[in-house]
Parts: sequence; C-alpha cells; structure tokens
Amino acid sequence: AQSVTQLDSHVSVSEGTPVLLRCNYSSSYSPSLFWYVQHPNKGLQLLLKYTSAATLVKGINGFEAEFKKSETSFHLTKPSAHMSDAAEYFCVVRFSGGYNKLIFGAGTRLAVHP
Amino acid sequence: DTAVSQTPKYLVTQMGNDKSIKCEQNLGHDTMYWYKQDSKKFLKIMFSYNNKELIINETVPNRFSPKSPDKAHLNLHINSLELGDSAVYFCASSQRNTGELFFGEGSRLTVL
Repeated sequence: AQSVTQLDSHVSVSEGTPVLLRCNYSSSYSPSLFWYVQHPNKGLQLLLKYTSAATLVKGINGFEAEFKKSETSFHLTKPSAHMSDAAEYFCVVRFSGGYNKLIFGAGTRLAVHP
Repeated sequence: DTAVSQTPKYLVTQMGNDKSIKCEQNLGHDTMYWYKQDSKKFLKIMFSYNNKELIINETVPNRFSPKSPDKAHLNLHINSLELGDSAVYFCASSQRNTGELFFGEGSRLTVL
C-alpha cells in the first residue's frame, strides 16, 4: 500500500535561508509523487510532480524536489525562503490502483521569519 | 474567472440539520472530487466522479451523498449533521489520471 510520511510537522526558517521539507514514501510500485502548498484559508495548489522522468523536479516559486529511490525520499527544497512561502506543504503519493486517488501526508507548516 | 468555485464558503448550522455544498469547475476537466480536511489539516478523499460516474467512494457515512449533474458540477449533500462533520470540505477537479488537481478554496462547515 502507498503512504507518505512528512517528517516534520513544523519548520521555521529565516527569510533568505534555505528551506528543507522532508518526505518519505512507501510504495510497492514506481510511485507518482507530488508536493502541494496551501496558503492560509486557501485551496491547495500543485508545486511540482514526479512521474518517473527526471529525478530532480523543478516546480513553481523556486521550489524543487529530488526523488531518491534508495532512500524512498522526496524532499522539497528552496535555496532562499521568502516571507510569502509561509504556508502548509503536503507531500502526496498517487495510489497505484488507478482512479487518480491521491494520498496526502499530514502536512508541514512552514514559518518564515524576517 | 475562478477555475474551481464552491459555495458557500462558510456554513454554521445545528446538529441534525441537512446542508448542501455546491461546486463548479470551468477547466473542462472530466473528473471531480470531494476532500475533507479536519482540524489538524489532514486531507482525505471522500468521493470522485468521472464524467458523472462515481469512481471513488471512500468509507464515508451514507449521510453524505454526492451528486454530479454534469461533468462540470459536483455537489455534496449532508443529512443529519453531527459535531464530527465540522471540517473544511474541498472540491477539486482534474483530467483523469494526471495527479494534478485544481482545488477550490474550501467550504468551512461548523456544526454546533
């Protein structure tokens, strides 16, 4: 069965410093993995996706993630945090049984301080 | 134009009442979803429709009944509301099997 574990419920960084949000996945098959972002009182927006092409995936707003099969990880990074990056981030795996069923991690709240 | 719009944005109601949330998408997608987000921000799929056909029906009380009159609309009706139904309900749409979902801004339901 597929699942994702987000290793940190809260991450706090200073503006201009790097961001690292950690995600480990469990999947019997080659997974499709995604990161979604949710700003306060908003819906979710896709940041980036991995679907077995390049292992380093670039997304919107300067975010990227690297798929590491040996470590079963899909960590999200950004070189320099901006105040507007403060949000909830969800690591997501697509269920291999079809029908586009997405399984969400518990979320990581990113706080960015001046 | 809002791509996925849901109404109302807020509902406050008493236990035992019935309420509906409506969702519309103008992206031309063939698949729509309802997700429930609890107070700890945990998101879980409830239902999915593809071209008006129910394709995902998670373990949800039968007090919840989705309806899709056409592929651009997906409504959620909830009977006999309970305290535990308090949550934010998100509608989303996608082309089938892309994994890229477009979400509405959510409908916050509070049951008193």
